[in-house]
Amino acid sequence: ETGVTQTPRHLVMGMTNKKSLKCEQHLGHNAMYWYKQSAKKPLELMFVYNFKEQTENNSVPSRFSPECPNSSHLFLHLHTLQPEDSALYLCASSQDLGGQGNQPQHFGDGTRLSIL
Amino acid sequence: SQKIEQNSEALNIQEGKTATLTCNYTNYSPAYLQWYRQDPGRGPVFLLLIRENEKEKRKERLKVTFDTTLKQSLFHITASQPADSATYLCALEGNTGKLIFGQGTTLQVKP
Repeated sequence: ETGVTQTPRHLVMGMTNKKSLKCEQHLGHNAMYWYKQSAKKPLELMFVYNFKEQTENNSVPSRFSPECPNSSHLFLHLHTLQPEDSALYLCASSQDLGGQGNQPQHFGDGTRLSIL
Repeated sequence: SQKIEQNSEALNIQEGKTATLTCNYTNYSPAYLQWYRQDPGRGPVFLLLIRENEKEKRKERLKVTFDTTLKQSLFHITASQPADSATYLCALEGNTGKLIFGQGTTLQVKP
């Protein structure tokens, strides 16, 4: 299997549930990212990890909790979400961090999250 | 404030014509600019990267230009096909080194 794989592809949860999104990359990359994509809005960067260390938290509410156990896996733990958190959550990876503009990012197909 | 603008209206063209999409930015001086394609229900796919000292870059039927004076990038698809129908995103390196995305322009190529 190649590329970036995200599971589940769809998730419906109530506001009091706890769930996790999973991302796995098979590209040997060192940097991984979480983005949020809402309808008609640009991708919003949430978190950045480089060699398993978090280097960026873009003022994301604490109800989103990332975890990166190794350079190939990235999780986003969800707890007590709000309806406005319904969106497509995308995981991406790049060879390394560097200046991000010089690094093509490879995206998974995302998890479509709906909060009831 | 820093801003990236892509035409939010869909671009409809006839098969075989050249599609031209625009990405304008303000209050940035990016060293790099990237273009991605996104199909419905899928993640973005990287297409091309162009550096500030490159005026133009080509890949098969795709051509990207980067005008740092006008603060604009143009993305061209020549001999367009219905399979080229998708949303195209531009992204540039912001002042903090992060990749910042535009909201994308949807291209519809009619047979």
